[in-house]
Amino acid sequence: SQTIHQWPATLVQPVGSPLSLECTVEGTSNPNLYWYRQAAGRGLQLLFYSVGIGQISSEVPQNLSASRPQDRQFILSSKKLLLSDSGFYLCAWEGQLRSYNEQFFGPGTRLTVL
Amino acid sequence: SQQGEEDPQALSIQEGENATMNCSYKTSINNLQWYRQNSGRGLVHLILIRSNEREKHSGRLRVTLDTSKKSSSLLITASRAADTASYFCATGSNYKLTFGKGTLLTVNP
Repeated sequence: SQTIHQWPATLVQPVGSPLSLECTVEGTSNPNLYWYRQAAGRGLQLLFYSVGIGQISSEVPQNLSASRPQDRQFILSSKKLLLSDSGFYLCAWEGQLRSYNEQFFGPGTRLTVL
Repeated sequence: SQQGEEDPQALSIQEGENATMNCSYKTSINNLQWYRQNSGRGLVHLILIRSNEREKHSGRLRVTLDTSKKSSSLLITASRAADTASYFCATGSNYKLTFGKGTLLTVNP
């Protein structure tokens, strides 16, 4: 069966510090991978998606970046965090198991920038 | 901008009652999906309805899709306290899903 992991679960960082969030998927190959951000009480905002190793599409210009160094690893980074980067970050994967576009989400990382 | 918009933003009902949530969207879609999110957790996929389908059932869930009105509804029958969560519709096109802001459903025991 497929599983998706995210870490850390919770993170408190000062403004201006770097960020690295990691997402890994098990039990599937060549998944599409996604990073979303959810502000408090809001819907999900798609940040990045990747359809293969080294292939990153950015949806929203900001001070975040993403990388996919391995097939089942997706990393969200920032060189200098802003207060507005606070939120709940969700990683998701999509494959061809059942339905096109059905996505499976990780448990999320709650980031607080102080 | 958000593609899907759920209505109402919040809904509070008693256990055993039915809950209906609506979603409207703006552009053409391949499919529409509903997800549930318990507080502070990731999203869980509930049901997907394709653009050529009008109605779909899964357990206590019933989803309808009206592409002429660009709208969908999610009906949860015989609600339970465990159904308390936020519910999001998401429209699928190409590689991407676009989510609405969600409906917060509270089922009171």
